[in-house]
Amino acid sequence: GQNIDQPTEMTATEGAIVQINCTYQTSGFNGLFWYQQHAGEAPTFLSYNVLDGLEEKGRFSSFLSRSKGYSYLLLKELQMKDSASYLCAVRDSNYQLIWGAGTKLIIKP
Amino acid sequence: ETGVTQTPRHLVMGMTNKKSLKCEQHLGHNAMYWYKQSAKKPLELMFVYNFKEQTENNSVPSRFSPECPNSSHLFLHLHTLQPEDSALYLCASSQRTSDTDTQYFGPGTRLTVL
Repeated sequence: GQNIDQPTEMTATEGAIVQINCTYQTSGFNGLFWYQQHAGEAPTFLSYNVLDGLEEKGRFSSFLSRSKGYSYLLLKELQMKDSASYLCAVRDSNYQLIWGAGTKLIIKP
Repeated sequence: ETGVTQTPRHLVMGMTNKKSLKCEQHLGHNAMYWYKQSAKKPLELMFVYNFKEQTENNSVPSRFSPECPNSSHLFLHLHTLQPEDSALYLCASSQRTSDTDTQYFGPGTRLTVL
C-alpha cells in the first residue's frame, strides 16, 4: 500500500529552527508538496520538489531524496504565526496526490 | 486571500436533510477536486473533474453526489448523511497542463451531521 509518514506533533521556540520530516512509500513518484494549514483555514501551498536537493524560499526550505523516499521542511527564525499543521503529499504514478496526516507545529514564546 | 471560495463555511444538518456545498474557482484552472478532511487523518480525495468531466470517484457513498456545470464551479450534493460524515469538506483546483499541477484550496465547509 501507499504510505506517507510524518510526526503528529512538534514543539519549537520562537526564533529557533525546526525540521519536519516526511517519509513516503508510493507506487511511483511525480513530485512532493508541502502545505501549511492554520486551524479552520485552507491548506496553502508552500513548496514543490521533484528533483533531489534543497529548494529555498525565504525562511522556508524543502529537501528531497528520492532514493531514500524522504523529504523535510525546514523553518528558520520561527514566528508565532508559524503555528499550524504542515501537510506532506506525494504525487504517485497515477498522478494522484497521496497525503500524510499532517504535523501540528506548536511555537512557544 | 484565496482564488477558491466555498459556501457555506459551516453547515449543520440532520440525517434526513438535503443540502449542497458550492465551490467556485477564480484561477482559470481546468481541474477541480472534492476532499474530506477528518481530524488527525490524511486528506481523502473524493472526486476529480478534468475539463468538467468526472475522472475519479474514490469509492464514495452515493449519498454524496458531485456536479460540475462548468470549469469554474463545483457542487457537492448531500442527502441522507450519517454522523460519521461530519468533517471539513475542502474544494481545490489546479491547472492540469502546468508543470507542477499544484492544487489550490478553498477554506472548506465544516459539516456537522446530527
